[in-house]
Amino acid sequence: DAGVTQSPTHLIKTRGQHVTLRCSPISGHKSVSWYQQVLGQGPQFIFQYYEKEERGRGNFPDRFSARQFPNYSSELNVNALLLGDSALYLCASTAFSGANVLTFGAGSRLTVL
Amino acid sequence: DAKTTQPPSMDCAEGRAANLPCNHSTISGNEYVYWYRQIHSQGPQYIIHGLKNNETNEMASLIITEDRKSSTLILPHATLRDTAVYYCIVRPARGGMNYGGSQGNLIFGKGTKLSVKP
Repeated sequence: DAGVTQSPTHLIKTRGQHVTLRCSPISGHKSVSWYQQVLGQGPQFIFQYYEKEERGRGNFPDRFSARQFPNYSSELNVNALLLGDSALYLCASTAFSGANVLTFGAGSRLTVL
Repeated sequence: DAKTTQPPSMDCAEGRAANLPCNHSTISGNEYVYWYRQIHSQGPQYIIHGLKNNETNEMASLIITEDRKSSTLILPHATLRDTAVYYCIVRPARGGMNYGGSQGNLIFGKGTKLSVKP
C-alpha cells in the first residue's frame, strides 16, 4: 500500500504569492493533519481534518487554510506568502480523529523568495 | 510549548545500544509517552509508545520510570541508518473515534540529534 503522498515535493514562490499543497492519506485513513517545520525546529501543528470537518487548528494566521475532500485527500493553502513561510510542510494521516499514531508523508519543501 | 525535555545531541557507536533520555516531569495520569524519529529529509516516523509499563517492539524498547516523570528509548543495536532526530512527546489517551479537539496535534520539541558513528 502507498504511504502518505504529498505534492509537490519542492517549490519556490515569491513574497505575496499563493501556494496550494496537496496530500493523499493512506487508504482507509479518514483523518489528515498538517504541520509546518522550519529549519532547525520540530514540526508545528497547523490543522487537523476528519471526515471533511476541521477538528483542530494551531496558532497560525488566517492566511493559512485547508480543506478535506470526500476521498479524504486534503489541500493546504497559504495566501500572501511571507519569507517566514519557507519551511517543510508535512501531512500526516490516521484512521480516525482520536488515533494516536500518525503516519507522515515526506513533505513539501516551500521556499519563499 | 513541548512538555518534554531532551538533550540536544548524542553520539553512539555502531552496534552498541543507544539510550535516549526524556524528562516529562509534568506528565498527567492519562498521558502516554510517544517517540518519533525524523531521518534527514523525511517525515517523522512513529517508533513506540507507552503509558506506565515498559514496552518493546521490533524497533526499540521504552522504559518508563515508576513515577512516570522520565523515560528512556533504547535502540538495542544502533546502525548508521538510526542517525536521526528523536522526539519524545506526551499526549492524552485516545478519545475514541469521534473525539474532537486536536487529537492530531503532536507537540514536538527540538528532539535529540542522535549520530551513530562507525
